[in-house]
Amino acid sequence: GAGVSQTPSNKVTEKGKYVELRCDPISGHTALYWYRQSLGQGPEFLIYFQGTGAADDSGLPNDRFFAVRPEGSVSTLKIQRTERGDSAVYLCASSTNGGANTGELFFGEGSRLTVL
Amino acid sequence: AQSVTQLDSQVPVFEEAPVELRCNYSSSVSVYLFWYVQYPNQGLQLLLKYLSGSTLVKGINGFEAEFNKSQTSFHLRKPSVHISDTAEYFCAVSVQNQGGKLIFGQGTELSVKP
Repeated sequence: GAGVSQTPSNKVTEKGKYVELRCDPISGHTALYWYRQSLGQGPEFLIYFQGTGAADDSGLPNDRFFAVRPEGSVSTLKIQRTERGDSAVYLCASSTNGGANTGELFFGEGSRLTVL
Repeated sequence: AQSVTQLDSQVPVFEEAPVELRCNYSSSVSVYLFWYVQYPNQGLQLLLKYLSGSTLVKGINGFEAEFNKSQTSFHLRKPSVHISDTAEYFCAVSVQNQGGKLIFGQGTELSVKP
């Protein structure tokens, strides 16, 4: 597709369950980012991939959060033992190498996670 | 560490009026500056950016912003707004050569009324 695609657009789960959120970046973009946006707040950085490797995972809040990008394209954000505080919109963005150096990112529409 | 403060959470204006959305940042190192816009039910979209050079930068849809290093500000302006400008606006910074990791402000909701 032309833009960054995220699935599912909405996910409702129960406390303690495991969740996977998927991101399909713009074709040819080597950099991929995950952000989390809580209600009334700006997006908060979680993790950044350059190719297959995580170049910066300093924003992951704890070890319940994990992300992979095994082939350097699609990425999956995995959340174990979900808590109500994990409820947020999870945003994925991608960029070219040049864009990654300057912060010019292309964002998807997000996956809204609700933990009951 | 870097931080971004957007001074107004909501800005209501009438159509064709001018608007200024305020943004201040804090950083001990050089940063790049951005404004992103989020229209209802859409993803974040880059509005404009300051990387270097002229401190007045122009973006899409008639918006412009001015980088003021001494005041550590990057306020967004438009001389005449339209109903279609109704959206959430986010100011953000990234540290040079740190892989595009953006630090966002809390956002300003611009509401344009007829």
